[in-house]
Amino acid sequence: GDSVTQMEGPVTLSEEAFLTINCTYTATGYPSLFWYVQYPGEGLQLLLKATKADDKGSNKGFEATYRKETTSFHLEKGSVQVSDSAVYFCALSDGNTGGFKTIFGAGTRLFVKA
Amino acid sequence: ETGVTQTPRHLVMGMTNKKSLKCEQHLGHNAMYWYKQSAKKPLELMFVYSLEERVENNSVPSRFSPECPNSSHLFLHLHTLQPEDSALYLCASSQGGGTSNEKLFFGSGTQLSVL
Repeated sequence: GDSVTQMEGPVTLSEEAFLTINCTYTATGYPSLFWYVQYPGEGLQLLLKATKADDKGSNKGFEATYRKETTSFHLEKGSVQVSDSAVYFCALSDGNTGGFKTIFGAGTRLFVKA
Repeated sequence: ETGVTQTPRHLVMGMTNKKSLKCEQHLGHNAMYWYKQSAKKPLELMFVYSLEERVENNSVPSRFSPECPNSSHLFLHLHTLQPEDSALYLCASSQGGGTSNEKLFFGSGTQLSVL
């Protein structure tokens, strides 16, 4: 079945460092891909999404490109801030199985030090 | 303010207790979800309701019983739980069109501890 694999955390960076969180997926159809972020004590919220191959999602300085050839959707940010400390979840929703079934990875915790 | 409110925020219960988790959404959405979040594991989709009808039930043990009386409210009734059921239970909603690019809106969750 469909699945999402993302790098284990925690990831610890200094402020202004470059961030990459790897995400790869397995899907039988043509999924939409998402990154969600969970700040401490809160629920998940959508960070960005891409709905077809080669699309780039971007928001708040974060970017991810839908790579069909490598089945990847890696999250990047050029200069992280302390306020970016959170747990990041990669997810997919496959149109073949219905949009109600969003599948998430295990999450990657990011710590940013001042 | 996320538009999805969950109560209680924290719950401690014994294995013989019966309790309920409540979720309410103020976004006018037609679909509501229960997810289970355990440490270092992917979020597990438990139940999905669309227009108050259950459309997804992912082999969840019968000690978890969902209820969706209307499109704004969702409950998760709990009875005779096990310690391994301790987790963060997240409620979410979406517009409910069933398309693959459906955006989910989450509540802050109920942190459940089963003793």
